[in-house]
Amino acid sequence: NAGVTQTPKFRVLKTGQSMTLLCAQDMNHEYMYWYRQDPGMGLRLIHYSVGEGTTAKGEVPDGYNVSRLKKQNFLLGLESAAPSQTSVYFCASSYSIPADRLYQPQHFGDGTRLSIL
Amino acid sequence: KQEVTQIPAALSVPEGENLVLNCSFTDSAIYNLQWFRQDPGKGLTSLLLIQSSQREQTSGRLNASLDKSSGRSTLYIAASQPGDSATYLCAAGDDKIIFGKGTRLHILP
Repeated sequence: NAGVTQTPKFRVLKTGQSMTLLCAQDMNHEYMYWYRQDPGMGLRLIHYSVGEGTTAKGEVPDGYNVSRLKKQNFLLGLESAAPSQTSVYFCASSYSIPADRLYQPQHFGDGTRLSIL
Repeated sequence: KQEVTQIPAALSVPEGENLVLNCSFTDSAIYNLQWFRQDPGKGLTSLLLIQSSQREQTSGRLNASLDKSSGRSTLYIAASQPGDSATYLCAAGDDKIIFGKGTRLHILP
C-alpha cells in the first residue's frame, strides 16, 4: 500500500519554463490537496479537490493550475515558473467530510523540492 | 480568518523529560484539531486528531488536549526520547485546514 506518491521528488527549472507535478493516491480518497511549504511560512494550501472532475482555490492559487481527471490523481501545473515558486510542494489526501462530522486525518506524500533559477 | 500559532518555535530538552507543545487558534468554530510530525526531508505524519466534540486524544506517550473556548490545544509528550526529535505542527480544521508554523523539537541524549 503506497499511500500518497509524488513525482518527481526534485526538480530544477529556469524562469519561464513549465512543468507538472503528479500526485497519486491508492486509498480511494475523495479529497486531495496541494500545499507549499516555505521557511517561516508554514504550509499553505494552493488548490484542492473534493472529487473527480472538481477543483477549488486555496490560500495561494496564483500562478498554479490543477486538474483531477481521475479520482486517484491530482496534477499541479506551473505554466510559467517564477523564482517565487521555489518551494517544497506537498500533496495530501483524505476521505470526504462525513455526515457525522467525525473526521479522518490527511495523508501526505514526501514532497517535491522545486527550485526555480 | 483562522490563524494558528505555535509556541515555542524551537525547543531542546534532555532525554527522559516530559514536555508540552502549545498551539492556539483564533476562530473557535473548528471541526477538528490535528497534530502532525514532520521529519527532515519528509512529509507530515498525523499523530492525533481531536474531533470538535472531544477534549483529548491519547496515543502511547502522546496526549493532545483541546479547549475550544480558549482557542488552545496542547501536545504532551511523556518520557521524551531522541527519536522524538522532529518538527511538530498543529492544524485547525474547518472548511479548510490551517497549519501553524511548527515547533522544532530536539531531544538531547
